Amino acid sequence: EVLLVQSGAEVKKPGESLKISCKGAGYRFTSYWIGWVRQVPGKGLEWMGLIFPADSDTKYSPSFRGQVTISVDKSINTAYLQWSSLKASDTAIYYCAKRTEGAFDSWGQGTLVTVSS
Amino acid sequence: QSVLTQPPSASGTPGQRVTISCSGSSSDIGTNTVNWYQHLPGTAPKLLIHNNNQRPSGVPDRFSGSKSGTSASLAISGLQSEDEADYYCAAWDDSLDGLVVFGGGTKLTVL
Repeated sequence: EVLLVQSGAEVKKPGESLKISCKGAGYRFTSYWIGWVRQVPGKGLEWMGLIFPADSDTKYSPSFRGQVTISVDKSINTAYLQWSSLKASDTAIYYCAKRTEGAFDSWGQGTLVTVSS
Repeated sequence: QSVLTQPPSASGTPGQRVTISCSGSSSDIGTNTVNWYQHLPGTAPKLLIHNNNQRPSGVPDRFSGSKSGTSASLAISGLQSEDEADYYCAAWDDSLDGLVVFGGGTKLTVL
């Protein structure tokens, strides 16, 4: 069974840094792109970017380029999404998802990030 | 503002057939396949339709997808109460170095 297990909820203050994770299991982790998707409370899904674990090739949505960093540690089958300086507007649920033939066929459970002073 | 355009809401009664539209452009839907996701609050999104009209294993055949030109649609027949959810279309966009664009989502209410 394919599983993507994300790290737990985070509460941070504006200006703080954060790195959340997404661990893949049940499939060849290095063979499939991993994407990140944001859902701001009450809003729709927004695609942020994706990474290919085998060579760390990364693509960002123009809306998120420079705002976040996507990385991977293939030795432990884990992808990451990180911020160097959080803003209140980063408050959202963040999902990772595995891409297969153009579609995201498996999703993590989501990580709620709350940024508040 | 989402690149793909969906109606914000749709509704139907149990047993009815409802359709949700998704409008794009030549660089996204016009060139690439469309996927549909079902999202129930508090859960992970679920792939419902891929490659325009293909259902993953386990998705009931009540759900069907189609695409024509720069538009796509999701049809749900024999509507059930558990179908009440948010539905999103998505496609890859060749104008963005092969990145993904989502629709704004359609909230389906089963009356």
